[in-house]
Amino acid sequence: SAVISQKPSRDICQRGTSLTIQCQVDSQVTMMFWYRQQPGQSLTLIATANQGSEATYESGFVIDKFPISRPNLTFSTLTVSNMSPEDSSIYLCSGRRDSSYNEQFFGPGTRLTVL
Amino acid sequence: GIQVEQSPPDLILQEGANSTLRCNFSDSVNNLQWFHQNPWGQLINLFYIPSGTKQNGRLSATTVATERYSLLYISSSQTTDSGVYFCAVEHRPQASGGSYIPTFGRGTSLIVHP
Repeated sequence: SAVISQKPSRDICQRGTSLTIQCQVDSQVTMMFWYRQQPGQSLTLIATANQGSEATYESGFVIDKFPISRPNLTFSTLTVSNMSPEDSSIYLCSGRRDSSYNEQFFGPGTRLTVL
Repeated sequence: GIQVEQSPPDLILQEGANSTLRCNFSDSVNNLQWFHQNPWGQLINLFYIPSGTKQNGRLSATTVATERYSLLYISSSQTTDSGVYFCAVEHRPQASGGSYIPTFGRGTSLIVHP
């Protein structure tokens, strides 16, 4: 499996500001995903990051709030915009190598606290 | 969308005990994975098992796709097995044109006491 790193690992932010989370994979992957995990809860898929095109967002998540970039097959960013305390959560980046090798792997997560 | 139910929600074991975790899903799936999230939050892929049985050390998993369930067996549990175990399934909706949409269950929280 590939290794995913995320930056920052944690942050404390003020209401109304934005934070960009970076996700780096040590090898090329076809699919990259962004998840949110609130304390004690399961993972909720925010969007699938598509290389060279707009991300595919799940119901309840919009591009204005969570803009995503994916300039190549090893890197993606997620921005949490105009943050409120309800955005406090762990944000996880995930990847899959290709459609015929379906093991999914995760980065260590970014713990975000919004005051 | 597809529903994923995991049981039990919580489990407390004494070191050395065996356990079985269950994952039920409401529709046919193209992919099923088991993950362990350790107390520090890192998710580790344990098994990719859309059908059949696999074993890895003290862990094994069985998926019976026709009956829409999967089981994760933990034998001779250790304190390092503590954490949350997630089942994640993928169902390819006909309208999606081939896109896989991964869905996670709520997880089973396991505590293993020494």
